Parts: sequence; C-alpha cells; structure tokens
Amino acid sequence: QSALTQPASVSGSPGQSIAISCTGSSSDVGGYNYVSWYQQHAGKAPRLLIYEVSNRPSGVSTRFSGSKSGNTASLTISGLQAEDEADYYCCSFTAWTTRVFGGGTKVTVL
Amino acid sequence: EVQLVESGGGVVQPGGSLRLSCSASGFNFNVYSMNWVRQAPGKGLEWVSYMTSDSATIHYADSVRGRFTITRDNAKNLVSLQMNNLRAEDTAVYYCARGLQYAFDQWGQGILVTVPS
Repeated sequence: QSALTQPASVSGSPGQSIAISCTGSSSDVGGYNYVSWYQQHAGKAPRLLIYEVSNRPSGVSTRFSGSKSGNTASLTISGLQAEDEADYYCCSFTAWTTRVFGGGTKVTVL
Repeated sequence: EVQLVESGGGVVQPGGSLRLSCSASGFNFNVYSMNWVRQAPGKGLEWVSYMTSDSATIHYADSVRGRFTITRDNAKNLVSLQMNNLRAEDTAVYYCARGLQYAFDQWGQGILVTVPS
C-alpha cells in the first residue's frame, strides 16, 4: 500500500487561501468517504482537522475545509495565519481495511 | 479532559520485544475504537493498528502484521501494543489515538522506541 501523494510544500501570505491536494486511487481516497486531515506542529502530536472528507470536529476553525473529487481530496485553509505554519497530513481508509497516510505537506506562511 | 498517555518505550536490540501501553481517561473508553500510529524520526505518519471497542475487529499494517499484537482492557481503560521481532525500521515515536469514523480524533503525546541498526 503506497502512501497517498501530497505536495511536499505549499506557501502563502497571511490572509490568503491555500489548498493541499491528496491523491490516491479508487482503492482508498476514491472508494470511500473516509478521508481525514491532520495538522502537526514541530515536536507536537497531530491534531484532527477534518474527518469523513469534509466534517470538522468541534473546536476546529471554519477556516479549514475539506473536499474530494474522484481520487483526489483537498484541504483548503482560508485566511492564512502565522499559526497555520505546520505539517499537514491526509489519511484514508483502504479496500484492505488498512489506513494510509499521505507523505505530508509543509505549509509556510510568508 | 480527554487524556491518552503512552508508556513502555525505550531502546531494544534488533529481534527483541517491547510492550507499549496507553492509559486513557476523561471519556467512556468502552465505546471507542483505538489505534496506534507511528512516526519515524524526520518522517511522516504511518498507521500501525486498529481495534474496535469490543476487541472483535483488529487490523494491522502490512509492515507489522505477524510481529505486533494490539490488545485492550476496558476495565482498566488501557490499550497495548506488543511488539516482537523488532527491526531498525520500527524506530519511531508511537502514538496512541482514539478512533472516530476511521479518523483519529484524540492523540497521546507519543513515546519513542529505538531499535539500533
């Protein structure tokens, strides 16, 4: 099971919107609405941002939104803030009942 | 407040064994699935194992199947990961994570396992 494909890095200026893509296959991202997204600051545990493609847990800012089209899921961060600088990971349930993460995307706020 | 606290990490020689534990508090442990996720130094996240609330269903990553065993004790609010035949590539921070619809909504602080090459 290969890792989902994410861009290594994405950057944006404060206030801008950025999108992070997460590409898999029909056996994972495209086959199930079980895509989740995580934010991880350096030296910290990951934090859930989005589950089931587009659902936000309570306490997560509405600036974070998720979507999916075919085999590609996306996380959009609107109104980019300095505190959003972190690593972001997608994750999907798979046809083999495993879960697979993306390789991670480093977000830089310029 | 939800808390997940891992313990049992350390340095172990290749081929050795180690047992990680995760103590849960602040929520009804009996109704949640639990997972282990790891992160090698400087690398990304890798899902390791999953167990339903009633221990009836268990899943493993291919990389650990046959070597690692997940168990839970609902009376003690504890989930464990028995790791046997450890390899250098198992070196990682291991996180205990609560399950939410195939996602992971609460995470422990992580515990380091080192297997020297």
